[in-house]
Amino acid sequence: AQKITQTQPGMFVQEKEAVTLDCTYDTSDQSYGLFWYKQPSSGEMIFLIYQGSYDEQNATEGRYSLNFQKARKSANLVISASQLGDSAMYFCATTWLRGADGLTFGKGTHLIIQP
Amino acid sequence: EPEVTQTPSHQVTQMGQEVILRCVPISNHLYFYWYRQILGQKVEFLVSFYNNEISEKSEIFDDQFSVERPDGSNFTLKIRSTKLEDSAMYFCASMGLAGTSREQYFGPGTRLTVT
Repeated sequence: AQKITQTQPGMFVQEKEAVTLDCTYDTSDQSYGLFWYKQPSSGEMIFLIYQGSYDEQNATEGRYSLNFQKARKSANLVISASQLGDSAMYFCATTWLRGADGLTFGKGTHLIIQP
Repeated sequence: EPEVTQTPSHQVTQMGQEVILRCVPISNHLYFYWYRQILGQKVEFLVSFYNNEISEKSEIFDDQFSVERPDGSNFTLKIRSTKLEDSAMYFCASMGLAGTSREQYFGPGTRLTVT
């Protein structure tokens, strides 16, 4: 079984500050992937970043980076230089890397960027 | 840029009625998924589909649910006899070859309201 824990139900951050969204995971498999998705108030799910369990370097995508600490089973999302448009729900998710397995999501963090 | 499309965007139905939610995955993708999100809650995996058969399903995906790929482009989710608790946003997602990019591309969702 897999489990994702996001301990921050909501966060308020000043514009231009960096943000760290916490995510810890529990999985019994050695081969897994970690994902972050953004869900704005319009409802769509927007992929942000992916990290494979065997990737030695932390993933980065523009202003997004994933702080992967395998021994601690954490996969925190870091958003640098936050913008008002970053206000949204953020979901961490995981899956086993064996074909068509579905994603297991956490409960999400509601991020609000203040001007 | 290719995208996953879903129809309708909003469906209202009476309890006990059958509904079919439709999705057109990205054309060269091989893996297809349905997820649901009850209002204010996390996204939950329902089922995955590969090579014209169900690959994995969650405990939510009981006998009232079925999936089909009736032609080369559409992927449908049928709920046979809807219940009030089926009211949710239903997301379709697709993924390319496993082992390459593991990103699941989500459609915009269908909001199902059961009255």
